[in-house]
Amino acid sequence: AQSVTQLDSQVPVFEEAPVELRCNYSSSVSVYLFWYVQYPNQGLQLLLKYLSGSTLVESINGFEAEFNKSQTSFHLRKPSVHISDTAEYFCAVSLLSGGYNKLIFGAGTRLAVHP
Amino acid sequence: NAGVTQTPKFRILKIGQSMTLQCTQDMNHNYMYWYRQDPGMGLKLIYYSVGAGITDKGEVPNGYNVSRSTTEDFPLRLELAAPSQTSVYFCASSYLAGVETQYFGPGTRLLVL
Repeated sequence: AQSVTQLDSQVPVFEEAPVELRCNYSSSVSVYLFWYVQYPNQGLQLLLKYLSGSTLVESINGFEAEFNKSQTSFHLRKPSVHISDTAEYFCAVSLLSGGYNKLIFGAGTRLAVHP
Repeated sequence: NAGVTQTPKFRILKIGQSMTLQCTQDMNHNYMYWYRQDPGMGLKLIYYSVGAGITDKGEVPNGYNVSRSTTEDFPLRLELAAPSQTSVYFCASSYLAGVETQYFGPGTRLLVL
């Protein structure tokens, strides 16, 4: 069975500092990997995803994530965070079952950016 | 383009009451999903649908029912509310299966007392 582990439930960081949110998954088959972000009192929205090709994927707001097959990881990084990055971040694995896209989510990491 | 809309935004129920959470999408997506979000637990899939008239159970379907009579609407029904159903409920949709992005609604906060 597939599962997703987000190693940190909360990550406090100062503005303009770098940050890494860790995600590990378990799967015996090829996977598609996603990071979703949830701003306060909003629904989730896609931040970035890995489907195939280059193992480094980037978002439009400066986040990047690297797919590491040998370590079964998909950590999210940003070299310099802003107050506006304060949100909860969810790592997810796409499970193909009978042709249906089922997302398996991690428990989430709450990123708190302090001035 | 409204995307995925959910009503109500917030509701308080008494134990044993019933209610329907509404979800509508205007993107002509085939696939729709209902999740619940509990603190520290991430999102759990309750039910999903791959098209009008076709639904199936997710990880945590007990206590819920769904229907999909149109492409646009995917209501979630709670027949006998229990405190364990206190949660935030999200509806989502996607065009295809597999690699497609899921688009989420703003959520419904439900409190069962």
